[in-house]
Amino acid sequence: AQSVAQPEDQVNVAEGNPLTVKCTYSVSGNPYLFWYVQYPNRGLQFLLKYITGDNLVKGSYGFEAEFNKSQTSFHLKKPSALVSDSALYFCAVSPYGNNRLAFGKGNQVVVIP
Amino acid sequence: DAGVTQSPTHLIKTRGQHVTLRCSPISGHKSVSWYQQVLGQGPQFIFQYYEKEERGRGNFPDRFSARQFPNYSSELNVNALLLGDSALYLCASSYKNSGSLYNEQFFGPGTRLTVL
Repeated sequence: AQSVAQPEDQVNVAEGNPLTVKCTYSVSGNPYLFWYVQYPNRGLQFLLKYITGDNLVKGSYGFEAEFNKSQTSFHLKKPSALVSDSALYFCAVSPYGNNRLAFGKGNQVVVIP
Repeated sequence: DAGVTQSPTHLIKTRGQHVTLRCSPISGHKSVSWYQQVLGQGPQFIFQYYEKEERGRGNFPDRFSARQFPNYSSELNVNALLLGDSALYLCASSYKNSGSLYNEQFFGPGTRLTVL
């Protein structure tokens, strides 16, 4: 069975500083990895995905993520955080891309002005 | 283009009742998945439908059922509601069900179900 771990409950970062949200995964087979963001009272918005190829994936709103197979990690990064990036971030994995996403518990990101 | 739409937005039921939630996928998307998001947790996979057939089921009791219609819209039904069924129910659509580079799922805003 696949699973995702997001070890931190909340990530606090000052506006303009780099933002990192950590994710490790466990899956049998090749992983399809995703990051989603959720704003209050909203559904999930897709940020980026890793299927195959370059380990550094670029996504929406200036976010990127680095796939590390040896460490089974897929950390989300943004070079310079904005106050508007404050939201709940979810990492998800599905084996073979079968659309049965397994989500982590989420990380609340708070960007301090 | 319209995104994934869900109805109703909010719903209040009492224990033992039945509920039906509805989802319309993005035009051209043939796969619909349902997730349950309990407060403070990540979404949990309930069902996946593709071309009107169930293609996957998560670890949920038989009280939960779903179906997909010829126009690819979908319904999630929950019988004999329990307090623990209170959650945000999310519907997601994608172009294909698997094996595609374009299989990211697009989520609707969800239906907030409260069971009293």
